[in-house]
Order: sequence, then C-alpha cells, then structure tokens
Amino acid sequence: GAGVSQSPRYKVAKRGQDVALRCDPISGHVSLFWYQQALGQGPEFLTYFQNEAQLDKSGLPSDRFFAERPEGSVSTLKIQRTQQEDSAVYLCASSPLNEQFFGPGTRLTVL
Amino acid sequence: AQTVTQSQPEMSVQEAETVTLSCTYDTSENNYYLFWYKQPPSRQMILVIRQEAYKQQNATENRFSVNFQKAAKSFSLKISDSQLGDTAMYFCAFMSWKNYGGATNKLIFGTGTLLAVQP
Repeated sequence: GAGVSQSPRYKVAKRGQDVALRCDPISGHVSLFWYQQALGQGPEFLTYFQNEAQLDKSGLPSDRFFAERPEGSVSTLKIQRTQQEDSAVYLCASSPLNEQFFGPGTRLTVL
Repeated sequence: AQTVTQSQPEMSVQEAETVTLSCTYDTSENNYYLFWYKQPPSRQMILVIRQEAYKQQNATENRFSVNFQKAAKSFSLKISDSQLGDTAMYFCAFMSWKNYGGATNKLIFGTGTLLAVQP
C-alpha cells in the first residue's frame, strides 16, 4: 500500500490494561510523528522519530506512554496501565520533508 | 509558544456556493508553513492546501484557495463551488520550519471547523 497504515483501527481496553498501537509509515519516510486527538479537538503532538532515533518526546502526557521505532520503519506506541483519560484517537504521520501524511488512526476507548 | 485559533466551530453552506473558514495564529518565528487539513467523518486526515510563509502569493488548489495575511497572522480557506464531498472537519495547522538535522517540525493544530454542505 502507498499510504500510512495503523493497527488496530479500534481498541477497547479495561482500565489498567496495557495497549500497543502500531504504525506502518510510507516506505522511505525518515520522519514519523505520533499525535493524540481527543473527541472534538485537534490533534496534539506526542513524539517524533527521525529514523530510529526518538528526538522529541515532549508531548507524551506521562511516563505510562512509551514509543519506539527500532529499525527506522514501523513504530509502536505503548500505553501502560491505561486510564479513562487516555481515550482518544491516536494518529501516526510520516514525512519525507515538510509535508506530513496521516494514517487512519487508532480509536482507543478505555472503560 | 505557537498557537492556532479557529473561531468557527461549525459552518454550513449550500451546494455550489462559496464558503470561507477562518484561522489565526500566533508566532514569533519567521520561517514557517501553514496548512489546511480535511478530516471526513471516520476517515483519515488529508492535506488540502499549504502555504510557505516566505511566499507572498496565496496558494491555490483547484476549488480551494487561501488568503494569507502575514502581518495580521491570518490564514483563511475559501472553498468555491462547494460539493457534498466537502463535508468534513477542517483543521488549520502551523509548522515552524527549522532546517537542521534533528529539528522537530511538528504540526500545531487548531480546534477545527465542522463544515456541512447542504444539498
């Protein structure tokens, strides 16, 4: 496929569970971003990778959030001990330079 | 810190008519990009149009055009000949561009404008 893909598309977790969200960027895109979009809001930056290096994690809301991109391609966003306030759509975007291409997002609902 | 403000939570337009969505931003940077993204219901975000701050000419993409007023920090989107498929949430976004290795050129989004095109 030519676009950014994310899986799963929907995830329901019980409070306290750990979840892992996957992003497959466009092949060859050096930059990868994660955003969190709460209901009715614009996306907010979480973290940024350049190849395998996580260069900016200033947007991660707590130490329960962890992201990795070990081989500079696929990225995983992990949330430990999920809380209700973590319910949101998590968007991944990849970029070759100054335009970001978004995936469909993962809608996380924490009960 | 940069901020983006969209003061119109919802707008409605009749099919084939023209509508303008407003956006203002605040920054002290001189080198940046501005974007309009479209997010249809339950579908992914796609880029509608972008503007480089150093360009004085307003960007145009088919039925979509912008009115970029740099001094006023205003960046409105005009949609001409509105179509039913234009119904979506529209986000204005700002990117401060730093052209050095390792810079985080992240997007800062407004809260969005929900546009409904009526038949």
